[in-house]
Amino acid sequence: DTAVSQTPKYLVTQMGNDKSIKCEQNLGHDTMYWYKQDSKKFLKIMFSYNNKELIINETVPNRFSPKSPDKAHLNLHINSLELGDSAVYFCASSQYEAGSNEKLFFGSGTQLSVL
Amino acid sequence: GNSVTQMEGPVTLSEEAFLTINCTYTATGYPSLFWYVQYPGEGLQLLLKATKADDKGSNKGFEATYRKETTSFHLEKGSVQVSDSAVYFCALSKAGNTGKLIFGQGTTLQVKP
Repeated sequence: DTAVSQTPKYLVTQMGNDKSIKCEQNLGHDTMYWYKQDSKKFLKIMFSYNNKELIINETVPNRFSPKSPDKAHLNLHINSLELGDSAVYFCASSQYEAGSNEKLFFGSGTQLSVL
Repeated sequence: GNSVTQMEGPVTLSEEAFLTINCTYTATGYPSLFWYVQYPGEGLQLLLKATKADDKGSNKGFEATYRKETTSFHLEKGSVQVSDSAVYFCALSKAGNTGKLIFGQGTTLQVKP
């Protein structure tokens, strides 16, 4: 069973379109994340949700809207796609434990190409 | 602010060679430090971690020691294999534990038979 699964794996679309990426984890974790990896492999956090509540929102354009219907799902909707949005988007999850730094489990990524 | 800097890649080695990938960090307080590995076409996986100064993290023959005096967490392996070819990311997490990882830019390792 895949622990963190995200769909689609590849997404090719035109500028100006709206698209969504879905993520599900079956690990029972209470925290989920979206990370963006650019063409130079640089990885940066975008959002984090804990039990459906937004706890991290980095300086991401408001065209990006995460939605967490329950703690096992965190979807990412992107409006009015731009060329600069082309990247690999990774979903991740973790389980918070007081006094320790949790291990993140990553999905295999969604490669978004905006033409 | 907090940041992580890794050596530029790609690093190309022959099988059984010794590996070092340098990582230095800037952070206030006492962060935890991590190495993650990304195999081709996959997401990142935690390789090892260290949570306080002088701790050594180790896994699968890889080691890294948390050096507060030099703010470093260099990754080493005594004898690399072709299967170690991947992108390696150094990362830190601040105390307070929001789960937010700050990653370095990644270092690509290519091991040739």
